[in-house]
Order: sequence, then structure tokens, then C-alpha cells
Amino acid sequence: DVKVTQSSRYLVKRTGEKVFLECVQDMDHENMFWYRQDPGLGLRLIYFSYDVKMKEKGDIPEGYSVSREKKERFSLILESASTNQTSMYLCASSRGTGAKNIQYFGAGTRLSVL
Amino acid sequence: RKEVEQDPGPFNVPEGATVAFNCTYSNSASQSFFWYRQDCRKEPKLLMSVYSSGNEDGRFTAQLNRASQYISLLIRDSKLSDSATYLCVVNPYSSASKIIFGSGTRLSIRP
Repeated sequence: DVKVTQSSRYLVKRTGEKVFLECVQDMDHENMFWYRQDPGLGLRLIYFSYDVKMKEKGDIPEGYSVSREKKERFSLILESASTNQTSMYLCASSRGTGAKNIQYFGAGTRLSVL
Repeated sequence: RKEVEQDPGPFNVPEGATVAFNCTYSNSASQSFFWYRQDCRKEPKLLMSVYSSGNEDGRFTAQLNRASQYISLLIRDSKLSDSATYLCVVNPYSSASKIIFGSGTRLSIRP
């Protein structure tokens, strides 16, 4: 079974803090993704990576950065957390494109920024 | 116009009923389509891919209508355990990794 592991289930941070969300997958997938999910807005793509050290902006990259130094690990960084970044963050990985682009998700990190 | 649109529901139907959801997409060149299921406070998981000729998996049937740019999901003989949010997913580009999720349709099955 594909396993995507996110480092924290719940996180509480203060405004202005630098926040790191870590994601690790064990299936040698090329693609990794970070989404946030908010009520009524669905899943919105923040960043994705299709190879080590490669990244592309998604729909809402502002206020976020990412790092992919190893194939299995994809980190999301909130440079200076703000209250509007309180959300559920979901990491996913997939192999290939098109019909093979089936995404496997981690359990999510619920981040609260106070 | 959103790239992928779904009726948010909620759909509240009795156990044993048949229920159907539609999802429309705006990019006529879209190549790949999926339905995901998300239980409350859980991550989304693939329910089924949607093939051009339509496909069935047990009580679930998925259809694609390219002319009208929508996909559908039909659930027959619904069970209490089918209660979840169903996410329509579209891959608009055959060569790219990025896919687009709909906001989801909430289904509640009552005894």
C-alpha cells in the first residue's frame, strides 16, 4: 500500500512564526503536491513538484514556499504565518500523468495560526 | 466560471435508494477524470477512474459525456457507509501532473 505520511496531525502556531510541514511518501512517486482545504472552497493546490528540486506554483502559492531535496520528501514552508493560513493542509503523491495521475493523500495537518 | 463544478448538496437519501451526481468541467481538452471519496475528517481516496466508455465497479457506475463536458457518478442500493463527500477530479492536460478537484458533493444516507 502507498503510504504518505505527514509529520503532524495538529499544529498551533503564532502569527509571524516560520512553520514547516513535512511530507514523506514511500512509493518512489515522481509527483508530490501540497493542498489546503477550506469549507466551501474545496482542495486548492499550493505547489507541486514533479522531480527532485523541481517545483511549480499552484493556484495559491502566495505566502508559501516548498522544498524537495529528496524524492520521497516534500516540505511546505510558511515563511511568516498569518491567521488566514489557518486551514487543513494535505500532501499527496502520484506517479505519472494523465490517467496514471492517481493521487494518494496523507492524513492531513490541521494548522491553527493564532 | 470554475474549472470543475459540482452541486455541493447535501443529498440526503434513504438506504437502498439510487443517487446520482454530476460534475461539469470547462476545459474541453481534458483527458482524465476521476471520482474520489472523502469521509468526514479524513483524507480523499480514489473511488474510481472514469473511462470514455463508462465503467462500473459494483454498485458504482461512472459515465463521461464529452459533448456536454460532464461526468457522472451513480450509486445503486446505497448503504449507510456510502455517506461521504464525493470529489470530482479532472486532469486537464495529458502531460502535466496538476489535476483539479471539484469542491465536492456531500451525501448522507439515512436508515
